[in-house]
Amino acid sequence: DTAVSQTPKYLVTQMGNDKSIKCEQNLGHDTMYWYKQDSKKFLKIMFSYNNKELIINETVPNRFSPKSPDKAHLNLHINSLELGDSAVYFCASSLRTSGVSETQYFGPGTRLLVL
Amino acid sequence: QKEVEQNSGPLSVPEGAIASLNCTYSDRVSQSFFWYRQYSGKSPELIMSIYSNGDKEDGRFTAQLNKASQYVSLLIRDSQPSDSATYLCAVRGQAGTALIFGKGTTLSVSS
Repeated sequence: DTAVSQTPKYLVTQMGNDKSIKCEQNLGHDTMYWYKQDSKKFLKIMFSYNNKELIINETVPNRFSPKSPDKAHLNLHINSLELGDSAVYFCASSLRTSGVSETQYFGPGTRLLVL
Repeated sequence: QKEVEQNSGPLSVPEGAIASLNCTYSDRVSQSFFWYRQYSGKSPELIMSIYSNGDKEDGRFTAQLNKASQYVSLLIRDSQPSDSATYLCAVRGQAGTALIFGKGTTLSVSS
């Protein structure tokens, strides 16, 4: 059983397009995250939602808009894609936000290539 | 700016040796520390977490934490070729804050 799943796995698109990445977790977790991993493998938090409420919003262009229809889903919509958006985007989830010991479980990643 | 620093490597060790991976962090109030392993083309997976000063052992892995020195390390005993991967150090400050990742250390274990 897949714990954290993402679709699509690969996404190749032209500059200026709008695209969405979907994430679902079946772990019953309250908190979900989006991370970006660039070509140098640097993994950086973008957003975090707890029970559908935005709790972390790092310095990310407003072309990126997360949406959480329910606590099991966190989607990422990207407008006007730019070359620099090419990266691997990972979704993650944790049981809750409040504990310092909360383990985050990562999805398989979505490899985005903007041409 | 909260930072987590790791030597990018590659760190090369022969099979059966001890691999030592190091990490320093800038935020003194950091409370929890994690080591993730990431194989090429795969997602990060948690291998160790540590919250108190000292050592924590799990099988061939030992995490060491020294909050006074703002230093956390991971030792891998009896290294195997299957341990070859990038190891990411991650640090969290207060509860509810984001994990800050280092850039990772690439480990290569030769048979």
